[in-house]
Amino acid sequence: DAKTTQPNSMESNEEEPVHLPCNHSTISGTDYIHWYRQLPSQGPEYVIHGLTSNVNNRMASLAIAEDRKSSTLILHRATLRDAAVYYCILRDVLGDNYGQNFVFGPGTRLSVLP
Amino acid sequence: NAGVTQTPKFQVLKTGQSMTLQCAQDMNHEYMSWYRQDPGMGLRLIHYSVGAGITDQGEVPNGYNVSRSTTEDFPLRLLSAAPSQTSVYFCASSNRQGATEAFFGQGTRLTVV
Repeated sequence: DAKTTQPNSMESNEEEPVHLPCNHSTISGTDYIHWYRQLPSQGPEYVIHGLTSNVNNRMASLAIAEDRKSSTLILHRATLRDAAVYYCILRDVLGDNYGQNFVFGPGTRLSVLP
Repeated sequence: NAGVTQTPKFQVLKTGQSMTLQCAQDMNHEYMSWYRQDPGMGLRLIHYSVGAGITDQGEVPNGYNVSRSTTEDFPLRLLSAAPSQTSVYFCASSNRQGATEAFFGQGTRLTVV
């Protein structure tokens, strides 16, 4: 299975943009890039996903490199509520049943400073 | 819309006891799964199901059983609890197609003494 690599931790100031990087050099053509986050004492929640083009939603933007070997989750204005562990996950849409599961690494712990 | 509901939220068991963690979803999702999360680590897959009557093992299935008699429910059974099963357990559901989002429950914090 293709793996992702993320920094262990990052810090940001409140109301400033945050760029969370993810490397996935062994990504296959049918892997979607998903981002989830986990707030303290809660289950993971969906943030955004994409295949090739950059994606925007109300929570964040996802910038995908042209060769798809890396991506960046962008929080445009960090708030204290955005302090969480962020997971970058590859999910194969054409894989077998097991391949449709989410493989969670340790993620990036984002701290937001007031 | 309730989403994914897990019960109980907290549980303490003695070594050797058995129990069932409940998971229910109201989104008519085909795909459901159970994960465990140990301190400072990501989630690891225990068992999953791609539809009623179909289950399979994930990364860490030993000591756990599952069944899926309905689309809505996917209970996780601990057969004989061990201290190594102390963890936070999350249930998730999604449509079967890979390009859709998954919904996670709030978790069950289990302590085995």
